[in-house]
Amino acid sequence: QVHLVQSGAEVKKPGASVKVSCKASGYTFTSDAMHWVRQAPGQRLEWMGWINAANGNTKYSQKFQGRVTITWDTSANAAYMELSSLRSEDTAIYYCAKDRGPTGFSPWGQGTLITVSS
Amino acid sequence: DIQLTQSPSFLSASVGDRVTITCRASQGPSNYLAWYQQKPGKAPKLLIYAAFTLESGVPSRFSGSGSGTEFTLTINSLQPEDFATYYCQQLNSYPLTFGGGTKVEIK
Repeated sequence: QVHLVQSGAEVKKPGASVKVSCKASGYTFTSDAMHWVRQAPGQRLEWMGWINAANGNTKYSQKFQGRVTITWDTSANAAYMELSSLRSEDTAIYYCAKDRGPTGFSPWGQGTLITVSS
Repeated sequence: DIQLTQSPSFLSASVGDRVTITCRASQGPSNYLAWYQQKPGKAPKLLIYAAFTLESGVPSRFSGSGSGTEFTLTINSLQPEDFATYYCQQLNSYPLTFGGGTKVEIK
């Protein structure tokens, strides 16, 4: 059974960076890409970017370009999302989700709450 | 960017009701349109992909339809476990985008 487990909640100060991990199991990690999506309180889901787990190629939403870095470690079957220059508006739940091409994202990780507060 | 507008944003319904949620796209996403269900404190769960294909394990009371720029999610005979928020998503072009959500609450 495919399963994604994310790292725990964090509190960060404005201007800091945060790195969230997503550990995959139940499938060949390098066979599918991994997406990152965030959900701010009361807001819609927002796609941030993805990584091709076969070769490490990435694509980012222009909104986060320059602030987000998605990486991976095939030996750990894990993907990582780092967001820098944090501001209060970045307070959100961050999800990883396994790519299924044009047939959607499934499954999703359990989510990681990142709170940005001084 | 393809903007997705869901309507209604909120609906109140009773167990056994038939519910329809609409997702309108600013540009046609072809049929690369998915629907997700999200319950409070949980991650989204894929229900339908390619506009009308039911994800494995999803009850048949859920169905998707539509084409072009207008798509619908229908829930026949609403069950207590269906009270949740539903999102559409387009996977046709980057950035991938989601609708604003429709919260289905118990009347």
